[in-house]
Amino acid sequence: GAGVSQSPSNKVTEKGKDVELRCDPISGHTALYWYRQSLGQGLEFLIYFQGNSAPDKSGLPSDRFSAERTGGSVSTLTIQRTQQEDSAVYLCASSLGGGLGYTFGSGTRLTVV
Amino acid sequence: DQQVKQNSPSLSVQEGRISILNCDYTNSMFDYFLWYKKYPAEGPTFLISISSIKDKNEDGRFTVFLNKSAKHLSLHIVPSQPGDSAVYFCAASASGANSKLTFGKGITLSVRP
Repeated sequence: GAGVSQSPSNKVTEKGKDVELRCDPISGHTALYWYRQSLGQGLEFLIYFQGNSAPDKSGLPSDRFSAERTGGSVSTLTIQRTQQEDSAVYLCASSLGGGLGYTFGSGTRLTVV
Repeated sequence: DQQVKQNSPSLSVQEGRISILNCDYTNSMFDYFLWYKKYPAEGPTFLISISSIKDKNEDGRFTVFLNKSAKHLSLHIVPSQPGDSAVYFCAASASGANSKLTFGKGITLSVRP
């Protein structure tokens, strides 16, 4: 597609439930990033995929968080047993690599009640 | 541990005047700096960048200045326009650090007509 597509745009879930957030990067972009923005905070790095390399998971806040990228394209961020502190806007970005030219999606606003 | 700091949460300026947005960083390995602009309910969009080998980069109304010795950069917008009202994020990356960007908390700019 023309841009980075994220779904759903909004998600309200009950505490303790699992959620899956999806990201469709720009075709041909080899790098894919997940960030989140909690209220009043900056963009917090979560995980980075580059081609066939092992992902950089150093930003995942707990083992309840996981992500995969199938076929080098679509990525899914999974949060298990959601907690209220997981409430945030989850942003996906893709690029050709090298840290330049990130294109962000519009994000998924997750609310855990 | 905030490696990229935007200490002022907000700035209000009159249309036509200059807006100066400041950013400080602590990681001396950072060698590439970017500014992103974000409107509500949209993902951040790239605005302007600067490499550590330069001290100034200009693009139309937007100029970024880098002071490496002070670990400080600033974004100047002149003249400011009401459409510039948005949240501005400062970001930095280090060569060889798998292109991951580290973001500040952002500053909300309001340009008064």
